[in-house]
Amino acid sequence: QSVLTQPPSVSAAPGQKVTISCSGSSSDIGSNFVSWYQHFPGTAPKLLIYDDDKRPSGVPDRFSGSKSGTSATLGITGLQTGDEADYYCGTWDISLNIGVFGGGTKLTVL
Amino acid sequence: QLQLQESGPGLVKPSETLSLTCTVSGGTISSSSYYWGWIRQPPGKGLEWIGNVYFTGNTYYNPSLKSRVTVSVDTSKNQFSLKLTSMTAADTAMYYCTRWRRSGSSFDYWGQGTLVTVSS
Repeated sequence: QSVLTQPPSVSAAPGQKVTISCSGSSSDIGSNFVSWYQHFPGTAPKLLIYDDDKRPSGVPDRFSGSKSGTSATLGITGLQTGDEADYYCGTWDISLNIGVFGGGTKLTVL
Repeated sequence: QLQLQESGPGLVKPSETLSLTCTVSGGTISSSSYYWGWIRQPPGKGLEWIGNVYFTGNTYYNPSLKSRVTVSVDTSKNQFSLKLTSMTAADTAMYYCTRWRRSGSSFDYWGQGTLVTVSS
């Protein structure tokens, strides 16, 4: 069972917007930055958002991140079929000094 | 461009020890800004953090694996390694080596991953 809680799946039509939630606690999300990863099966996960809301070079601004308290959200606008992937949130638990991830959310673009 | 490449056996027998090495190219493993880590993904499941190591040898481990895992670094070879003892079928997974940013706590570079199967 993952430390951070994500919905198992979300779906939306091409061109629409979708959000993926990530819920944690005061010792993880509440005390540290959140990152998001995009994972296509058979490939390495890719850093999509870091420090709650920053995008690495090359990541389109269709992807956004936000955080409030012990929850974080990934937003994707202008959905494309190529966005179909698994998305994971992650952070560091400062009380246990361990890395933690959400269970992953499968995005389907209908 | 930084690159990470895992190497090691794809098949391990039950009760044996897994040894994987990650070779870092295009950058130094001795940077003060980063830790180096291992993450795995069992088939059909999510990502599981295994452990991180600093170039000084300082480590952090997943409590669920701590009794069986060792992550070490060899700065002379620009490599870091994972050892996981007493392997069982539950350890069958894709294993990734990664770079972990100390500020912000994100894994910004990943190796392509290596599939490790535990079977006799």
